[in-house]
Amino acid sequence: KQEVTQIPAALSVPEGENLVLNCSFTDSAIYNLQWFRQDPGKGLTSLLLIQSSQREQTSGRLNASLDKSSGRSTLYIAASQPGDSATYLCAVDQGGSEKLVFGKGTKLTVNP
Amino acid sequence: GAVVSQHPSWVICKSGTSVKIECRSLDFQATTMFWYRQFPKQSLMLMATSNEGSKATYEQGVEKDKFLINHASLTLSTLTVTSAHPEDSSFYICSATHIQGTYEQYFGPGTRLTVT
Repeated sequence: KQEVTQIPAALSVPEGENLVLNCSFTDSAIYNLQWFRQDPGKGLTSLLLIQSSQREQTSGRLNASLDKSSGRSTLYIAASQPGDSATYLCAVDQGGSEKLVFGKGTKLTVNP
Repeated sequence: GAVVSQHPSWVICKSGTSVKIECRSLDFQATTMFWYRQFPKQSLMLMATSNEGSKATYEQGVEKDKFLINHASLTLSTLTVTSAHPEDSSFYICSATHIQGTYEQYFGPGTRLTVT
């Protein structure tokens, strides 16, 4: 059974700092991996999707990497801003079934 | 593009009553729609997968007679929580995949259900 773990559970940083969020998964037979952002009481906003054949994806200040063989992904946020404060969720699509398995998320707080 | 809406955004109901939540893909046709449940400080848990015109596939441990899913069209799926109990109080989120797209799921804003 696929399990997704995100470390740390919470992170607080000063504005302007670069940071890394970690995601690990137990079964490397994934179709893709997605990073989402969730604001309190809100739905999910997709940030980046990495196909299993890809190593990384970039969007603006965000860069996500994928090492499928080791079961790891990282989300790098450059020059963090208070508006980046949210919970970041990692999810894997198990073998193209479209079923996403989510981690519990990392709650990020960027202090002005 | 690829906007998914949910209605209502929040609902309070009494124990024993039923409540219906709608999930709509506003600007695309959805191959598949998914229903998730999220308890406080927990990850999203997939409840069921539905395709237009066919019966939903429920995840293990999810009571299909309690959580009724109807996927009447390529743009609308509904989740009905029947005979609601306080332990059903949760945040329910739907998602949809684009009929012409990749497997990427687009998520709705969620519905907060409180059962008193």
